[in-house]
Amino acid sequence: DQQVKQNSPSLSVQEGRISILNCDYTNSMFDYFLWYKKYPAEGPTFLISISSIKDKNEDGRFTVFLNKSAKHLSLHIVPSQPGDSAVYFCAALSNSGYALNFGKGTSLLVTP
Amino acid sequence: DARVTQTPRHKVTEMGQEVTMRCQPILGHNTVFWYRQTMMQGLELLAYFRNRAPLDDSGMPKDRFSAEMPDATLATLKIQPSEPRDSAVYFCASRGVESSPLHFGNGTRLTVT
Repeated sequence: DQQVKQNSPSLSVQEGRISILNCDYTNSMFDYFLWYKKYPAEGPTFLISISSIKDKNEDGRFTVFLNKSAKHLSLHIVPSQPGDSAVYFCAALSNSGYALNFGKGTSLLVTP
Repeated sequence: DARVTQTPRHKVTEMGQEVTMRCQPILGHNTVFWYRQTMMQGLELLAYFRNRAPLDDSGMPKDRFSAEMPDATLATLKIQPSEPRDSAVYFCASRGVESSPLHFGNGTRLTVT
């Protein structure tokens, strides 16, 4: 039962353009959301997060948007760089839970 | 730069053999997680510990998997007997305060033939 869904397994974007990665969730108890980035042969590393009391959080080139009514969040990368090529995982946490629920990931390829 | 350390990085074994994966969480982190990554399921939670006590291992096949924390610096995940369907990358992660993000190790890639 996948409570966090990333419906696009892969995405290809040209360098300098915007990358938009999407994530949907089904559990209305989730109140904290995170994006992780994963390079091959490495573990996921934390990228950015957002609490459910906000609808936007920005950190440099990375912005996460949260639409609670639609149970949807997205990660925007502007401008995209070749070094951003990685698998991006969306994750969610409820205030009563300890463990993150992850989506299956979206593989982003940024081409020069 | 504090890191979660996992050993071995790679393990190839035959079906039926015992496999033990080890994890050293970041010093001072009191919550430890085991995740498994497969193509079909993505990152799925197997078990987690808080202050060395198992809080949830409902994600693990109980008949063959076991997870322990003998001390605060070591977490182990054991599979006995291993099966080809256990082939995956197993990640350990740790966390300090509850609101902080998880820190992952680089994983153990397990292949069971």
